[in-house]
Amino acid sequence: AQSVTQLDSQVPVFEEAPVELRCNYSSSVSVYLFWYVQYPNQGLQLLLKYLSGSTLVESINGFEAEFNKSQTSFHLRKPSVHISDTAEYFCAVSVSDDKIIFGKGTRLHILP
Amino acid sequence: DAGITQSPRHKVTETGTPVTLRCHQTENHRYMYWYRQDPGHGLRLIHYSYGVKDTDKGEVSDGYSVSRSKTEDFLLTLESATSSQTSVYFCAITAKGGTGELFFGEGSRLTVL
Repeated sequence: AQSVTQLDSQVPVFEEAPVELRCNYSSSVSVYLFWYVQYPNQGLQLLLKYLSGSTLVESINGFEAEFNKSQTSFHLRKPSVHISDTAEYFCAVSVSDDKIIFGKGTRLHILP
Repeated sequence: DAGITQSPRHKVTETGTPVTLRCHQTENHRYMYWYRQDPGHGLRLIHYSYGVKDTDKGEVSDGYSVSRSKTEDFLLTLESATSSQTSVYFCAITAKGGTGELFFGEGSRLTVL
């Protein structure tokens, strides 16, 4: 069965500094990978996804994630964060059975 | 916004009572999911459905049952609620199963006393 590990429950970072949110998965078969974001008092929404092709995927608001098969990772990065990026970020994985499993989430705190 | 509504949005009940949460969609999506969200645990999959009358278990299915008698409705039932089932429950839908974007409902906050 697949599983997802988000290594950091909270990440504090200064405004305009870079950030990396880590995600590792375990699966013996090919996977599809996702990052979702939950802003305060809102529901989850898709940030970006990897299905196939280029291992580097980007979102419209400056985030990117790279699929690394050898390290079974899908880390999320942004070169310069803004206060509006304050949110909880969830990594998710699915395999051929259509189950979509989420990690425990990482709270991103932007420091002024 | 995806046409997905959950009811009730808030419920307080007592241990041992049955509870049913309803997820209703107007998107005609094939796949529907029930998750619970708890601090420190993220979202955990309870059950999901890949079509009418087709359901399967998720990570934390014990104590929960589901039914999907028509495309638009996916019901989650707690036969005998326990305090450990106090949580926020989210329904999600997608057209493409494991490769698709999940669209979430607004959540149902359940408190079991």
